[in-house]
Amino acid sequence: AQSVTQPDIHITVSEGASLELRCNYSYGATPYLFWYVQSPGQGLQLLLKYFSGDTLVQGIKGFEAEFKRSQSSFNLRKPSVHWSDAAEYFCAVGDNDYKLSFGAGTTVTVRA
Amino acid sequence: GAGVSQSPSNKVTEKGKDVELRCDPISGHTALYWYRQSLGQGLEFLIYFQGNSAPDKSGLPSDRFSAERTGGSVSTLTIQRTQQEDSAVYLCASSLADSDTQYFGPGTRLTVL
Repeated sequence: AQSVTQPDIHITVSEGASLELRCNYSYGATPYLFWYVQSPGQGLQLLLKYFSGDTLVQGIKGFEAEFKRSQSSFNLRKPSVHWSDAAEYFCAVGDNDYKLSFGAGTTVTVRA
Repeated sequence: GAGVSQSPSNKVTEKGKDVELRCDPISGHTALYWYRQSLGQGLEFLIYFQGNSAPDKSGLPSDRFSAERTGGSVSTLTIQRTQQEDSAVYLCASSLADSDTQYFGPGTRLTVL
């Protein structure tokens, strides 16, 4: 069975500072990996995804993620956060039908 | 174009009552997914429809939960004899066939008193 672990429940970061959100997955085959963001009162929005190829993937809003098979990780990064990045972030792994298994989420607070 | 819509946005019901939640996917999307987001369980997959194939019901938590999709478009998630633990936000997503990108609706917040 597939599963995702997001070790950090809550992260506080200063505006302009860098951000890294951790994600570890468990999946028997080549994983389909995703990062979603959920802003307060909003639906889930896809930030980026990885299926194969280049292990560093670029997404929207200046986010990127790196797939490391040896560490079963898919960490999300942003070099300089903006106040609008305050939200909850979910890492997910998909099966062949793209049914998603989500991590518990990491809440990001941005302080001025 | 319009995104995925869900109705109602909020639903309060009494324990033991049945509820129906509706999802209108993006036009032309043949795949439709239901997920549940609750404090205790996080985001969990419930059921998946793809075209005319039999749905994948592997995520439904009990036989009180069922879903149908009429005409390959609108889907209804039905919860019978609701329990307090059914309180959650129910999310619907749709995608093109064989597409990895799911578009999520705003969800229906269900509260069971």
